Amino acid sequence: EADIYQTPRYLVIGTGKKITLECSQTMGHDKMYWYQQDPGMELHLIHYSYGVNSTEKGDLSSESTVSRIRTEHFPLTLESARPSHTSQYLCASSGRRGTGASNIQYFGAGTRLSVL
Amino acid sequence: QKEVEQNSGPLSVPEGAIASLNCTYSDRGSQSFFWYRQYSGKSPELIMSIYSNGDKEDGRFTAQLNKASQYVSLLIRDSQPSDSATYLCAVNVPSGGSYIPTFGRGTSLIVHP
Repeated sequence: EADIYQTPRYLVIGTGKKITLECSQTMGHDKMYWYQQDPGMELHLIHYSYGVNSTEKGDLSSESTVSRIRTEHFPLTLESARPSHTSQYLCASSGRRGTGASNIQYFGAGTRLSVL
Repeated sequence: QKEVEQNSGPLSVPEGAIASLNCTYSDRGSQSFFWYRQYSGKSPELIMSIYSNGDKEDGRFTAQLNKASQYVSLLIRDSQPSDSATYLCAVNVPSGGSYIPTFGRGTSLIVHP
């Protein structure tokens, strides 16, 4: 079983609030990812990191930001939440740098965010 | 054109039948191909990975890869109602000297008793 944790599992907040979604993994993985997924819809990559101090934007434009100060931790922050940010956010991690393209992703349980 | 294409379904099969799920990808430089299963309200979990042309079998599941045709498939033998889920095809697509995981929109599978 994968050791990747997301908190909170559910979050309901008002418009304009700053929020941080937490993601931590204990597998020593170099690569970490954030996805956004609406119910019944496809996964969209919004941010990824291939190591400490490395972050990149994914294929879906997002107003969120991420940081990677420690290998095991990859938090996602929304400075001012809006109703359009309502969605499920999934964090994933995969193997060590230098192992090529063959890495399997392990997903956290997700954070379901509702912005009122 | 999306980089990874799947028929969204739903694909409905009777219990005990073979379910065949298909996926095509557009970038010939893609490497590493994965099938994930996602139950409603849950996170994706890996079913199969395949890295070279041919077939790979694991229990009731067989993944098939044809790089010339840019085609990946997943066969589920002796389908069970518990196999009812959305199946996501994922491909590592080359980008800027690295590879980015790219998912298809998923195929919904319904196995009816």
